Amino acid sequence: AQKVTQAQTEISVVEKEDVTLDCVYETRDTTYYLFWYKQPPSGELVFLIRRNSFDEQNEISGRYSWNFQKSTSSFNFTITASQVVDSAVYFCAPTPGYSSASKIIFGSGTRLSIRP
Amino acid sequence: GAGVSQSPRYKVAKRGQDVALRCDPISGHVSLFWYQQALGQGPEFLTYFQNEAQLDKSGLPSDRFFAERPEGSVSTLKIQRTQQEDSAVYLCASSLGGTVGLGPLSEQYFGPGTRLTVT
Repeated sequence: AQKVTQAQTEISVVEKEDVTLDCVYETRDTTYYLFWYKQPPSGELVFLIRRNSFDEQNEISGRYSWNFQKSTSSFNFTITASQVVDSAVYFCAPTPGYSSASKIIFGSGTRLSIRP
Repeated sequence: GAGVSQSPRYKVAKRGQDVALRCDPISGHVSLFWYQQALGQGPEFLTYFQNEAQLDKSGLPSDRFFAERPEGSVSTLKIQRTQQEDSAVYLCASSLGGTVGLGPLSEQYFGPGTRLTVT
């Protein structure tokens, strides 16, 4: 079974500040995916990144970057130079490994508010 | 259409009524998922289809919940004798691949959801 902890319930920062969203997961699977999704006020979940458990390289995409550390079971997400449009709820989500359907186990989310 | 669509977007039901929620996945997507999202919570998995076969229904909270995808495309989530605790947003997602581990094929695309309010 998987469990994900997003300890930060809400974060509020001023625009242009950097912000890091923490994610700690537990899984007994040796192979699994980790996802981050964004849910803006409109409600539709938007895919941000998928990582598989074999790839511990950090990833950068524009202002977004992800730090995956298997040893500490963490998959943190950093937004650099935040913008008001980044305001949303962000979900970290592990999935079971390759042998089963990819149902996503969502955490409780972190609500991020960017103040102008 | 370009994305996953769901209808209706909003549904108000009186306690005890039956409701049916529809999901139109992206054309050609093999896999279809239903999730339930209570207010202030993350989505919770309900059920999964690969084509017309329902391969996992472990998340359905009770036997009042029933899902089908008879032709492997459109899916309907039915809730019988609705209760107040059924009030939530019901999300549908589809993915191109039928098997996890196929990288981008396993990426799930979500619809806008149906907000169900049971009074």
